[in-house]
Amino acid sequence: DQQVKQNSPSLSVQEGRISILNCDYTNSMFDYFLWYKKYPAEGPTFLISISSIKDKNEDGRFTVFLNKSAKHLSLHIVPSQPGDSAVYFCAAHDTPMQGAQKLVFGQGTRLTINP
Amino acid sequence: NAGVMQNPRHLVRRRGQEARLRCSPMKGHSHVYWYRQLPEEGLKFMVYLQKENIIDESGMPKERFSAEFPKEGPSILRIQQVVRGDSAAYFCASSPFAVDRLGNTIYFGEGSWLTVV
Repeated sequence: DQQVKQNSPSLSVQEGRISILNCDYTNSMFDYFLWYKKYPAEGPTFLISISSIKDKNEDGRFTVFLNKSAKHLSLHIVPSQPGDSAVYFCAAHDTPMQGAQKLVFGQGTRLTINP
Repeated sequence: NAGVMQNPRHLVRRRGQEARLRCSPMKGHSHVYWYRQLPEEGLKFMVYLQKENIIDESGMPKERFSAEFPKEGPSILRIQQVVRGDSAAYFCASSPFAVDRLGNTIYFGEGSWLTVV
């Protein structure tokens, strides 16, 4: 049961343009969403997050949008840079009980920025 | 990946052998999480531990897998009698708090790649 889905396994964008990565979820109890960036042979690195009480969060070139009614979020990167080439994971925060900090990850989208 | 140390980075085991993966959390962190990434998939939660306690092991396979986080020393993820399907990247993460809404205080290690031949 894939509760967090990233339906695009890969995305190719020209340097300087906007990259848009999409993520859908099924569990309406998720209340916090995160994006992680991962380079090959490295662990995921936190990028940006958004609470379910908001619909937008911005941090420099990165903006995350949340549409709760559609159970959809997206990550916008503008302008895209070659160093942004990586795999991006969407994750939802699932805390069914105190102390059980569990992240549910999507399958990832491999972003390639072309010069 | 600030300071969560995992070893070995790469491990090859024959079917039926045991695999032990170690994780030293960041200094000052007493909460450890293990995630597994199978090929072409996202990371999946396995277990959450505090010092000497397993808090949530709902993602652990029922057999052959165990985890511990002793009072002294690293956290250990142990896989007995490995099978080819155990081949994956195993990521450890740590955080200073039990419940935190800020993903940037959950730090991942660089992972241990297990290959079962």
